Amino acid sequence: DTAVSQTPKYLVTQMGNDKSIKCEQNLGHDTMYWYKQDSKKFLKIMFSYNNKELIINETVPNRFSPKSPDKAHLNLHINSLELGDSAVYFCASSQDPDPWAFFGQGTRLTVV
Amino acid sequence: ELKVEQNPLFLSMQEEKNYTIYCNYSTTSDRLYWYRQDPGKSLESLFVLLSNGAVKQEGRLMASLDTKARLSTLHITAAVHDLSATYFCAVDPTKYNFNKFYFGSGTKLNVKP
Repeated sequence: DTAVSQTPKYLVTQMGNDKSIKCEQNLGHDTMYWYKQDSKKFLKIMFSYNNKELIINETVPNRFSPKSPDKAHLNLHINSLELGDSAVYFCASSQDPDPWAFFGQGTRLTVV
Repeated sequence: ELKVEQNPLFLSMQEEKNYTIYCNYSTTSDRLYWYRQDPGKSLESLFVLLSNGAVKQEGRLMASLDTKARLSTLHITAAVHDLSATYFCAVDPTKYNFNKFYFGSGTKLNVKP
């Protein structure tokens, strides 16, 4: 069983479209995250939710909106996609006091 | 904002050689992580270092942390081709019950057979 799973794995879409990426974790963790990895492999945190409550909201365009229907799921909705949104988006989860965060396999988003 | 610098960014080495990857960070932190990423794959947990002087070893990899120098090292002993991957260090300066990782830019390691 995959601990942190994301769908889809690949997403190719046109500029201006709206798309969603889904993430589910079966680890029973309270906290989930979205990270963005750009074309230079640089990873940066975008959002974090703890028990469905937003706790980290980095400087991310308003076009990105996370939603956590329950603590096992954290989805990322992106409006009006732009070329610069092309990246790999990683979902992760963690549970205090375990210091580790576990990452999903990533969603490669390509905006054309 | 916390800065995390890794060097080198690229490392091409031959099998059986030793080398070290360095990770410097700009703000006090007691939690330092090393992750491995294979091409097109997710991040695989390697080590977490939680105190000054901490040393962890797994196979041919050994990680250490000097919080006073704000420096972590990942030492590779007698490299083998299977170690080829990109290695990231990450620092978590928060003292809360969740993570907020600041990643280095990664070191792409290529071990030539």
